Amino acid sequence: GALVYQYPRRTICKSGTSMRMECQAVGFQATSVAWYRQSPQKTFELIALSTVNSAIKYEQNFTQEKFPISHPNLSFSSMTVLNAYLEDRGLYLCGAYRGNYAEQFFGPGTRLTVL
Amino acid sequence: GEQVEQLPSILRVQEGSSASINCSYEDSASNYFPWYKQEPGENPKLIIDIRSNMERKQIQELIVLLDKKAKRFSLHITDTQPGDSAMYFCAARGNAGAKLTFGGGTRLTVRP
Repeated sequence: GALVYQYPRRTICKSGTSMRMECQAVGFQATSVAWYRQSPQKTFELIALSTVNSAIKYEQNFTQEKFPISHPNLSFSSMTVLNAYLEDRGLYLCGAYRGNYAEQFFGPGTRLTVL
Repeated sequence: GEQVEQLPSILRVQEGSSASINCSYEDSASNYFPWYKQEPGENPKLIIDIRSNMERKQIQELIVLLDKKAKRFSLHITDTQPGDSAMYFCAARGNAGAKLTFGGGTRLTVRP
């Protein structure tokens, strides 16, 4: 079956520090990976869509300078939250697409707490 | 870009009754509409989806309806059970690549 793992599941960082999170697709080739943030009491905001061998597309209000993403192969992607502050807390989900966006599989998320 | 509105935000129903969640979208080019169920502390899981070439789809107790003219789609859970209690999110995807735009979510509580 198709599975998506994320690491770490939960993390705490001090305000102003950075946190890297990873996303691993197992059992399928993740041609594209979308990173979302679910802030407390809110819905999912798309941060960026990363496609192997293409430029990463960031949504409005999210930048590469703040959320650099690496997507080196068809099974792995990582994103770093640089200089994290309170407003960056939430659940960060990676959604990996199989094939031509036919289906998206979500990982369990990385829950970020900023102190 | 696409905007998706989801109502109601909170829904409480009695076990055995039906629950309905409604979503509307703005981009007429949207052609894929998935629904996700998210339980506390868990990642969202795809429970049913519908594409723009269909008007109705049913998987067991889940029914989705799509009205492309009105740009509305809805999820109906028949014969609800306490295990159906969760957050439900609708989403829409258009021709602008693989971007999914989510609705605001509905917290469904099924009372025994």
